[in-house]
Amino acid sequence: GQQLNQSPQSMFIQEGEDVSMNCTSSSIFNTWLWYKQDPGEGPVLLIALYKAGELTSNGRLTAQFGTTRKDSFLNISASIPSDVGIYFCAGLNAGNNRKLIWGLGTSLAVNP
Amino acid sequence: NAGVMQNPRHLVRRRGQEARLRCSPMKGHSHVYWYRQLPEEGLKFMVYLQKENIIDESGMPKERFSAEFPKEGPSILRIQQVVRGDSAAYFCASSPVDREETQYFGPGTRLLVL
Repeated sequence: GQQLNQSPQSMFIQEGEDVSMNCTSSSIFNTWLWYKQDPGEGPVLLIALYKAGELTSNGRLTAQFGTTRKDSFLNISASIPSDVGIYFCAGLNAGNNRKLIWGLGTSLAVNP
Repeated sequence: NAGVMQNPRHLVRRRGQEARLRCSPMKGHSHVYWYRQLPEEGLKFMVYLQKENIIDESGMPKERFSAEFPKEGPSILRIQQVVRGDSAAYFCASSPVDREETQYFGPGTRLLVL
């Protein structure tokens, strides 16, 4: 099935650094969602985006719905050890019967 | 407001047995989704249900797997005659009527088939 291109696949950073990751699609999306998954847990919704150009923050996290409607970005500022986990993007292409399309995840490691 | 609840959290079955996974959506949510995740991999869509209706089951294997979301009670994902390849984490998500695409996930059920 269709998947989103999520990059980078993994990141290893120092505590305090900023992080940026993105997702791209070959088709236009109406919704972008960003999730974080900790080991042994279910994905937790971080930010939901519904309009092209929308910029939304959740604490140190900021996500943007790209103006072309084919991409989205997630930034984490001043990373801390508990930011460790896998970050997934997911999007909704209105033509696919409301089934979210998922990226393969960005694995983030933070060195204290 | 309680989140999505799944039980059991861990389930061990021998080959050939049946596995029943339960999911109670968030209060006020009428849409339920089931996903499967293998270690080090992303989420794979299985099925999308509303109360008493299967909306999209394009991700469900044709045999041995079934799902339901009855008028009363939790959604059930049923796997008959389990095989070792069914070992995975199974996640349920629910969404509200006015934002069907915004899915909230449960903690998952980890199925191990011996």
